[in-house]
This record gives sequence, structure tokens and C-alpha cells, in this order.
Amino acid sequence: SQTIHQWPATLVQPVGSPLSLECTVEGTSNPNLYWYRQAAGRGLQLLFYSVGIGQISSEVPQNLSASRPQDRQFILSSKKLLLSDSGFYLCAWSRLTGGGSEQFFGPGTRLTVL
Amino acid sequence: QQQVKQSPQSLIVQKGGISIINCAYENTAFDYFPWYQQFPGKGPALLIAIRPDVSEKKEGRFTISFNKSAKQFSLHIMDSQPGDSATYFCAASGHGGYQKVTFGTGTKLQVIP
Repeated sequence: SQTIHQWPATLVQPVGSPLSLECTVEGTSNPNLYWYRQAAGRGLQLLFYSVGIGQISSEVPQNLSASRPQDRQFILSSKKLLLSDSGFYLCAWSRLTGGGSEQFFGPGTRLTVL
Repeated sequence: QQQVKQSPQSLIVQKGGISIINCAYENTAFDYFPWYQQFPGKGPALLIAIRPDVSEKKEGRFTISFNKSAKQFSLHIMDSQPGDSATYFCAASGHGGYQKVTFGTGTKLQVIP
């Protein structure tokens, strides 16, 4: 079965510090991978998606970047965090099913920027 | 055209009652409609999904009703329980591409005893 891991689970960082969040998927190959951000009590904002190693597409211009150094590894980074980067970050992978797409989410990382 | 509109934003239901969450879409290229359930501090989890070639799908106490002509679909939770208290997201996706899923804005459900 497929599993998706994210770490760290929680993170408190000062403004201006760098960021690196990691996501790995097990039990599947060549998955499409996604990074979402969820503000408190809000919906899901798609940040980045990747269809393969080294292939990254950005949905929203911002202070963040993403990389996919390996097939099942997805990394979210920032050189200098802003207060507005606080939120709940979710990694997801997807599979096609009967013509549509299902996404499966990781446990998330709660980021607080002070 | 890519939006999925979800209502209500929040919902309070008595234990044993029926919870109903509605979603509407515009993009006729959408052909798969999953619902996700999210508990506080957790990632969303796939709950139930439907394709537009059927008008209803039921799994236990959860039912999706789908109206293709109106481009609307809804989630019904029968015999709602306090353990159902969570945020629910409807979503829609189409064929191919990078399999983008468009999510609704979420409904926070509270089931009171």
C-alpha cells in the first residue's frame, strides 16, 4: 500500500530564516506530487505540482520554491521566511482512477513564523 | 470556470440528523468528483467519490448525489454522529494532464449531541 510522509510535523521559525519541508511517498512509482498550503480555517491553496523528477510548476508566485530531486521525494523551500508563510503545509500524491484523479494527502506540517 | 463553489461554510447538525453539503461547478471537462474529510491538525482523507455517469453513490452513511445537467453535487451524511465533526471538501478533476484537482472552499461540520 502507498504511504506518504512529511516532516517535520511542526516547525517554529523566525522571520528571515530559511525553510525546508520534506515529503516522501512509498509504494508507488512516478507519482504526481503536490504542495498545498492551508491557512487557519481556510481552504487548500495549491502551491506547486510536479509530474516527474526535476519538473516543477508553480501555481502562485510567492516566497517559496519546490524541488523534486528523486522520484518519490518532494521538497518545499524558502530562503527567507515571511510572517505570511505561516500555515499548514500539505503534500499530496495523485493517481488516475476511471478517468479522474484522486489525491492522497500527507499528515501535514504546521509552520509558525514569528 | 475552474472554480468549485461549496456551501454552506459551516453547519451545525443535531446527532442523528442529516448533514447536507452542496457544491457546484462550471467546467464541463470535470468528470470525477471526490469528497474529502479533514479532522483538525490532519491532512484531508478521501471519503467518497462519484463519476458523472451515475446520479448517486452510497457508502455506509455517506451518499453523493450528482445532477449533471445542473452541474451540482452534494454530500449527505445520514444519522450524523459527533465523530463526523470535521471539515469537508468537495473537489473535481478532469482527464489527463497533471491531474489537477480543484477543491471547494470547505464546510466545517459540527454534530452536537
